[in-house]
Amino acid sequence: NAGVTQTPKFQVLKTGQSMTLQCAQDMNHEYMSWYRQDPGMGLRLIHYSVGAGITDQGEVPNGYNVSRSTTEDFPLRLLSAAPSQTSVYFCASSPRASGSSYNEQFFGPGTRLTVL
Amino acid sequence: GDSVTQMEGPVTLSEEAFLTINCTYTATGYPSLFWYVQYPGEGLQLLLKATKADDKGSNKGFEATYRKETTSFHLEKGSVQVSDSAVYFCALKAGSNYKLTFGKGTLLTVNP
Repeated sequence: NAGVTQTPKFQVLKTGQSMTLQCAQDMNHEYMSWYRQDPGMGLRLIHYSVGAGITDQGEVPNGYNVSRSTTEDFPLRLLSAAPSQTSVYFCASSPRASGSSYNEQFFGPGTRLTVL
Repeated sequence: GDSVTQMEGPVTLSEEAFLTINCTYTATGYPSLFWYVQYPGEGLQLLLKATKADDKGSNKGFEATYRKETTSFHLEKGSVQVSDSAVYFCALKAGSNYKLTFGKGTLLTVNP
């Protein structure tokens, strides 16, 4: 298993450009999520999905779109990049979506995005 | 809402020193508690977990005990190594909610 994979590893954008961060998992996990990590802020949830065709907003969804057309893929779209979106982005997946006493989330290696 | 407060770093120790990173939480119901570790340039990995009061999670020499009475889940290790240098995150999952709430992270640096 490759686990959770993310591409690209690094990206530089200009303000106003759009791009898609890719995330894929090969573990047949129901739950997938996107976080951003900023210094002194920990990880903040952007969007999440409990299964194909189902997505919802997290703490900081503004400026980001997601879709979940398959179980494996969960891309994150920036429609018009802003300097405030400079961050490290992590995708994570989990084998259970709800009704469980715990769920371990498996994280990808991250995408470091800089918006100029 | 749910929240996690952990000791702000950075923490710098010498090899073989004792480590404690404090973590307290606020949550409805009976959350599950986790410690994740992030090594330089990598994503987060689950270090240990505890799902009910008085459970002790342990892994790689690290331990943490779920203390319901003090709403705490402090991370400890008796003798740290240089390879333990990383950022450590305390996190909780409340009830049937599948979302994790993370603390801000504590950077640990261990010097030889």
